[in-house]
Amino acid sequence: DQQVKQNSPSLSVQEGRISILNCDYTNSMFDYFLWYKKYPAEGPTFLISISSIKDKNEDGRFTVFLNKSAKHLSLHIVPSQPGDSAVYFCAASAPVLDTGNQFYFGTGTSLTVIP
Amino acid sequence: GAGVSQSPSNKVTEKGKDVELRCDPISGHTALYWYRQSLGQGLEFLIYFQGNSAPDKSGLPSDRFSAERTGGSVSTLTIQRTQQEDSAVYLCASSSRLTSYNEQFFGPGTRLTVL
Repeated sequence: DQQVKQNSPSLSVQEGRISILNCDYTNSMFDYFLWYKKYPAEGPTFLISISSIKDKNEDGRFTVFLNKSAKHLSLHIVPSQPGDSAVYFCAASAPVLDTGNQFYFGTGTSLTVIP
Repeated sequence: GAGVSQSPSNKVTEKGKDVELRCDPISGHTALYWYRQSLGQGLEFLIYFQGNSAPDKSGLPSDRFSAERTGGSVSTLTIQRTQQEDSAVYLCASSSRLTSYNEQFFGPGTRLTVL
């Protein structure tokens, strides 16, 4: 059963415009959320995260929004650049204190930024 | 410092053979995770280690899959009597208490093809 869902497998955006990637989750115990970016033939790399005590976290061109009541988060990239073209994974965790977290990943959204 | 490394990068095997995949985590990272990504799927959690012990083996798809970690460092994932549905990219990640285990660092993956 997929606890983290990314319902859009792909997204195309014009360079300079905003990219919005969406993610939904089902487990209300999740309290930490992350976005990873993955280029072909490479492992995912951490992009940005947000704790459930916040509803927004911003890092340069990347902003993550969290709506806990809707169990929804989104990643905004503005302005989008061709180098942002990659697969973006949403992940969530419900930590077990001091023993490490298990992360649940979505299926990914492939973003293409058109020059 | 070196990141997470995995070997081999590619493995082609015949159905029924056993394979071993290796992961070298970042030095000092006590938590280690194995995931796999099948074609068109998200990252599927397999197992995680805290030190040498595996508190959570819930993701292992069958008893043909096993993993061990020795010395709190290198881990091997073994798949016995491989089947074609085992074909996937197997990703390893590690994390540290210093970041509250909230950020995982991924290796480049091992692409396994079972003929």
